[in-house]
Amino acid sequence: AQTVTQSQPEMSVQEAETVTLSCTYDTSESDYYLFWYKQPPSRQMILVIRQEAYKQQNATENRFSVNFQKAAKSFSLKISDSQLGDAAMYFCAYTTGTASKLTFGTGTRLQVTL
Amino acid sequence: ETGVTQSPTHLIKTRGQQVTLRCSSQSGHNTVSWYQQALGQGPQFIFQYYREEENGRGNFPPRFSGLQFPNYSSELNVNALELDDSALYLCASSSTSGKRETQYFGPGTRLLVL
Repeated sequence: AQTVTQSQPEMSVQEAETVTLSCTYDTSESDYYLFWYKQPPSRQMILVIRQEAYKQQNATENRFSVNFQKAAKSFSLKISDSQLGDAAMYFCAYTTGTASKLTFGTGTRLQVTL
Repeated sequence: ETGVTQSPTHLIKTRGQQVTLRCSSQSGHNTVSWYQQALGQGPQFIFQYYREEENGRGNFPPRFSGLQFPNYSSELNVNALELDDSALYLCASSSTSGKRETQYFGPGTRLLVL
């Protein structure tokens, strides 16, 4: 079975500090796409960042960056200069195959403290 | 540009009843996917519709069915509701089908089955 594992159910970071959320996945395919989504208490899932598996360069979006290790099947998210608005559930996910079916992990709840 | 919308926002049903949830895709998107998110879990893929045809299905029984209309809006129908169907139902749209496409989510419908 294809799976996504997020081993940190909860994380906490102080405002302005840096935090890294971990994600590992398991797929037998060589061509796939990886995503981090954020789900605040409002429930709406918001795309944070995406990574194409064929690209070696790690994706970056402003304060968000990933560490993609294809051989290790690891896809961690680094949030720099954390802000109160970053507090949310963060889900790691990927798509493979012909339909754009997202397979999600169980999420990491991020708290941001003053 | 209008984002993904879902209706209703909340719904309470009793076991054995039937329910219909609705989703309007983002402007220019022809693909809609439905996900079920149980409390404390990541979303699980139910099925996807691409140009009015089912294009992939997850591990859900036949009492979960759907439709996509010519304007690419979509419905999720669940018959013979069970208590375990209580969850947040998320709809996501993308510009087309395919694993490289980013999916954009609606705010979800919270279903409670009593």
